[in-house]
Amino acid sequence: AQSVTQLGSHVSVSEGALVLLRCNYSSSVPPYLFWYVQYPNQGLQLLLKYTSAATLVKGINGFEAEFKKSETSFHLTKPSAHMSDAAEYFCAVSPAMGNDMRFGAGTRLTVKP
Amino acid sequence: DAMVIQNPRYQVTQFGKPVTLSCSQTLNHNVMYWYQQKSSQAPKLLFHYYDKDFNNEADTPDNFQSRRPNTSFCFLDIRSPGLGDAAMYLCATSSYRDISETQYFGPGTRLLVL
Repeated sequence: AQSVTQLGSHVSVSEGALVLLRCNYSSSVPPYLFWYVQYPNQGLQLLLKYTSAATLVKGINGFEAEFKKSETSFHLTKPSAHMSDAAEYFCAVSPAMGNDMRFGAGTRLTVKP
Repeated sequence: DAMVIQNPRYQVTQFGKPVTLSCSQTLNHNVMYWYQQKSSQAPKLLFHYYDKDFNNEADTPDNFQSRRPNTSFCFLDIRSPGLGDAAMYLCATSSYRDISETQYFGPGTRLLVL
């Protein structure tokens, strides 16, 4: 069965610093991978997704993620953190066929002034 | 703009009093999902509809039911809410025309049980 593991339930960075949120997946077949962001008392918003085209995926708000099959990873990065990036981030994996998306436990990002 | 809409955004109910949460979508997606999300946790899938076909997760309590009268609307019924059912309930949609079946979420309904 497929799954994702997000390393670090809390990440704190200074404004302007690099953001790195880690996600490793487990899947027997090449999966689809997603990053979602959730602001307080809101739903999940899609940041970006990997669908086996380019391994480096660019998303909204300056975020990007790189699919590394050899490391089974799909880490999310942003070169320079902004205060508005403070939120909960979820990595998710879905099989090539079927409605079976699995979420990681989430990483709460705090941005310090 | 095409979107997923959930009403109400906040719902207060009493212990044991039935409550219904609603979701509508203008995306014309054929799949609709209901998730339960408790504080500081990942969303947990309760069930989903693939067109009219209902798919229940094995560990979803019988207290939770759903209806999908048409493509645009889906309802979550909690027959006898307990204190443990207080959570954020998220509705999502996806389309089988999208090979990745990306899910698009509504803003959620936060349920409080008194």
